[in-house]
This record gives sequence, C-alpha cells and structure tokens, in this order.
Amino acid sequence: EDQVTQSPEALRLQEGESSSLNCSYTVSGLRGLFWYRQDPGKGPEFLFTLYSAGEEKEKERLKATLTKKESFLHITAPKPEDSATYLCAVQDNYGQNFVFGPGTRLSVLP
Amino acid sequence: KAGVTQTPRYLIKTRGQQVTLSCSPISGHRSVSWYQQTPGQGLQFLFEYFSETQRNKGNFPGRFSGRQFSNSRSEMNVSTLELGDSALYLCASSLAVVGSGETQYFGPGTRLLVL
Repeated sequence: EDQVTQSPEALRLQEGESSSLNCSYTVSGLRGLFWYRQDPGKGPEFLFTLYSAGEEKEKERLKATLTKKESFLHITAPKPEDSATYLCAVQDNYGQNFVFGPGTRLSVLP
Repeated sequence: KAGVTQTPRYLIKTRGQQVTLSCSPISGHRSVSWYQQTPGQGLQFLFEYFSETQRNKGNFPGRFSGRQFSNSRSEMNVSTLELGDSALYLCASSLAVVGSGETQYFGPGTRLLVL
C-alpha cells in the first residue's frame, strides 16, 4: 500500500532562516511526486512535480529534490508570506491512486 | 481568466440523504479531479475525469461517484450520507491529466456538514 509521511509536523522559523521539509514515501513504482502549499481556508496551490531520483525543481525561494525514498523541500531565506501548510503526494505507476502526506505546517516569524 | 469554481460553497445535509456537488474548471481544461479533506484523514484523492472518462479512483466506497460533461464541468455525488462524510470537498482542473506536469488549479471547495 502506498504511504507518505512528512516531517516535521510543524516548523517555526525566523525570517531569513533557511530549512528543509521532508517527505518520505513508499510506493510500488513512482509515477510522480507532487508538492503543494495550502493557506488556511483555501484550496492547495500546486508547486512542483518530480518524476525521477536526482531531479530538482526551483521556484523563487523553494527548491524540491527527489531521491528513491524521499523528497525535500528546501526553503531559502523564507519570508512571512511563505507561512502555510506544505503537502506532498505520490502517484504510483499504475496511475490509479494519488496519496497525500499529512503536511508540514510552516510558520515564518518576522 | 476565471479560476475553478465550486458550488455550493456550504451545504448541510442529514444522514441518509444524498448530495451533488459541482465543479466548473478553468476554460480549456479537460481534467477535473476531486478530493476530500478532513482534519483526521487529511487530503484524500477521490477520482479524476478527463474528457468525460474516469481515469483513476481513490479508495472510497461506491457511494462516492462522479461524472464529467462535454463542457468539462464535473459533478460529484455522495449517496446515503454518513456523519463521516462531513468534509471540505475540493476539485482541481488542469490542461492534461494529473501527473503530466501540467499545473493543477484548485477551487475554494465545498464544505459539507452531515448531521
């Protein structure tokens, strides 16, 4: 059964303090790994799709990387507006299911 | 351009009733996927439709069903509602199927309360 865990559950950073969020997964053949951010009371916002180990993608202060067992979302010099819940999800090679992790709640303090 | 719209935004039903939720995708988008979000279970995938065909389905009972029309609008139906169906139901649209690399755009959700 496909599984996704995320750590830490919650993270509090000072503005400018870089850090990383972890997404560990178990899947019978990875088709894709997805990152989203979600603000309270809103639908998720798509960030990245990663397909194979070694792949990296960047967007502003965010950089996502992928290995065979986990993905990291690196946040460089975060700002208060980066505060949100960050979710990752995996889709298996059969494309039938799409499993989300529980999320990491990030707070960036000014 | 207009974003993904979902109607209604809020809904209260009683156990045993059925409910139909609607999702209008961004113009030109052919994929619509549905998700359930609860505090206990988090975000869970329900199903995806592309060009009126269901492409894949998550681990939900048959009480949860959906369809997509020729204009790409999609509806989700839940029959015989249970208390545990209380949740935020989200839909997302994209140009191509989930996993293709195309950006998914989520709607604001429909908050369903089952009493």
